[in-house]
Amino acid sequence: NAGVMQNPRHLVRRRGQEARLRCSPMKGHSHVYWYRQLPEEGLKFMVYLQKENIIDESGMPKERFSAEFPKEGPSILRIQQVVRGDSAAYFCASSPTGGNEKLFFGSGTQLSVL
Amino acid sequence: AQKITQTQPGMFVQEKEAVTLDCTYDTSDQSYGLFWYKQPSSGEMIFLIYQGSYDEQNATEGRYSLNFQKARKSANLVISASQLGDSAMYFCAMRELSNFGNEKLTFGTGTRLTIIP
Repeated sequence: NAGVMQNPRHLVRRRGQEARLRCSPMKGHSHVYWYRQLPEEGLKFMVYLQKENIIDESGMPKERFSAEFPKEGPSILRIQQVVRGDSAAYFCASSPTGGNEKLFFGSGTQLSVL
Repeated sequence: AQKITQTQPGMFVQEKEAVTLDCTYDTSDQSYGLFWYKQPSSGEMIFLIYQGSYDEQNATEGRYSLNFQKARKSANLVISASQLGDSAMYFCAMRELSNFGNEKLTFGTGTRLTIIP
């Protein structure tokens, strides 16, 4: 799972600022998932993307959150006008096929909103 | 909606003893998959073991085994000969199929395991 690279590892933002979280999947993987982990909780699904397509965003908040996975470059999770409740660990995972049996997680980005 | 229940918020186990972490699940699907992940204090999610609903044998990976009891809808993780490095949060998760045809994982709330020297 060391192959899924997330940066930054820690991100501090003030309320109202934008947060951009990056995820480079493992080589050869074209399926990317984003999960959010609130303190003392399990991970919760946010969004599933393939190259240039959002397939399932049923776990994304309706406002302020967006995700993309362009043809070239990393997947980006963008949070506009952050609030304290957005403070969490955000994990990216990638898969070669979309099947979860071969899902590899990155180390996560810890977002802290002041 | 599918649901994963981990009833042990925390456990303390003596080093070298075996430990069982409980996980029960609720689903109406015939085909599903169950996972265990380890999350050490550094925060990363480490895949441990996977069990498919149609697998007849219990999954094993080194010191980890999954005690799969389909009729009881339980998928307990067994760690044999525990080590200090096993201290971490452990999450049980289940694969579900979304309305869009893709897979996604539903996680339990986790069990914090502490190994005592």
